[in-house]
Amino acid sequence: AQSVTQLDSQVPVFEEAPVELRCNYSSSVSVYLFWYVQYPNQGLQLLLKYLSGSTLVKGINGFEAEFNKSQTSFHLRKPSVHISDTAEYFCAVSEVEGQNFVFGPGTRLSVLP
Amino acid sequence: DAGVTQSPTHLIKTRGQQVTLRCSPKSGHDTVSWYQQALGQGPQFIFQYYEEEERQRGNFPDRFSGHQFPNYSSELNVNALLLGDSALYLCASSLVSMNTEAFFGQGTRLTVV
Repeated sequence: AQSVTQLDSQVPVFEEAPVELRCNYSSSVSVYLFWYVQYPNQGLQLLLKYLSGSTLVKGINGFEAEFNKSQTSFHLRKPSVHISDTAEYFCAVSEVEGQNFVFGPGTRLSVLP
Repeated sequence: DAGVTQSPTHLIKTRGQQVTLRCSPKSGHDTVSWYQQALGQGPQFIFQYYEEEERQRGNFPDRFSGHQFPNYSSELNVNALLLGDSALYLCASSLVSMNTEAFFGQGTRLTVV
């Protein structure tokens, strides 16, 4: 069975500072990896995904993530955050295309002025 | 394109009652998945429908049932509501051949009192 761990439940950071949100997963087979963002009272929006190929994945809003197979990690980074990045971020895995997503518990990013 | 639409946005039910939530997928999508997101947690997979059949199911009791109509829209039914069923219910739509391109709706906030 798959599982996803997001080590930080809350991450406060000042505006224009860099940020890294950590995600580790466990699975016995190859996986697809995703980061979703959820703004207050809204659904989930896809930030980026890793399916295959280059381990560095670039997404929307200046976010990027790096897949590390040996460490089973898929950490999300942004070099300079904005107030508008304040939201809940979820890491998710899917073992086989067409199967369901398994989500982590989420990390609440709070960008401070 | 209206994207994935869910109705209602909010509702309050009494313990023991039954509820039906509705989802219209993004135009062109044929697969609908439902997720339950309890407060402060990541979404958990309930089930997925394709060609009007339940294709996959997560670890949820039989009180949770669903339906998909010929126009690909879907309903989630929950019987004998418990206080613990209070959550945000998210619908995601995709093409069966491209589940990595799933789009989420805004969700229905269910409160059981």
